[in-house]
Amino acid sequence: DIQMTQSPSSLPASLGERVTISCRASQGISNNLNWYQQKPDGTIKPLIYYTSNLQSGVPSRFSGSGSGTDYSLTISSLEPEDFAMYYCQQDASFPFTFGSGTKLEIK
Amino acid sequence: EVQLVESGGGLVKPGSSLKLSCVASGFTFSSYGMHWIRQAPKKGLEWIALIYYDSSNKYYADSVKGRFTISRDNSKNTLYLEMNSLRSEDTAMYYCAKEGYWGQGVMVTVSS
Repeated sequence: DIQMTQSPSSLPASLGERVTISCRASQGISNNLNWYQQKPDGTIKPLIYYTSNLQSGVPSRFSGSGSGTDYSLTISSLEPEDFAMYYCQQDASFPFTFGSGTKLEIK
Repeated sequence: EVQLVESGGGLVKPGSSLKLSCVASGFTFSSYGMHWIRQAPKKGLEWIALIYYDSSNKYYADSVKGRFTISRDNSKNTLYLEMNSLRSEDTAMYYCAKEGYWGQGVMVTVSS
């Protein structure tokens, strides 16, 4: 199975700040990397697919990049609604696997 | 508007069975592969199963293989997850999902 190592596990940040969350795969995943946001009520929202493609309706302050085994999610200027959990997921090979999550918290 | 609505969860004893449903609307259900993903309390996300749009292929996580069965009825726009031989470690919120959308989830608790 492909292991996804996500960092940091916790990220204190301020409104307006630029933040980056990293995700490393245990082997190459050919850009088959997705990002999700989970709010405290459990609602899960897909953000980005295939490394850098924004899902419909996702604000442009979100962006994704990477290749090979290393990927990242960047939020250019934090808004209040961005404080949540974030997960990466690879869908290059079965079983699809998720990172352990990053909790983006208000500093 | 795309909607995915899960149902069928509840409290069951170890060793018992349960069948979850996910009713889809707002898109052509028969054209999309569908997933089940779960999240144990205070834990991360775990992908557990995928079924192709036409049921031609099904894939499972090792943790549920042989105990859970994913299926669909395209005439009813409904996805299913039949869960047998349930264990305490299957306690989780279960989500159905398609590309770009997730349901709100349904809770399954396995406890004696």
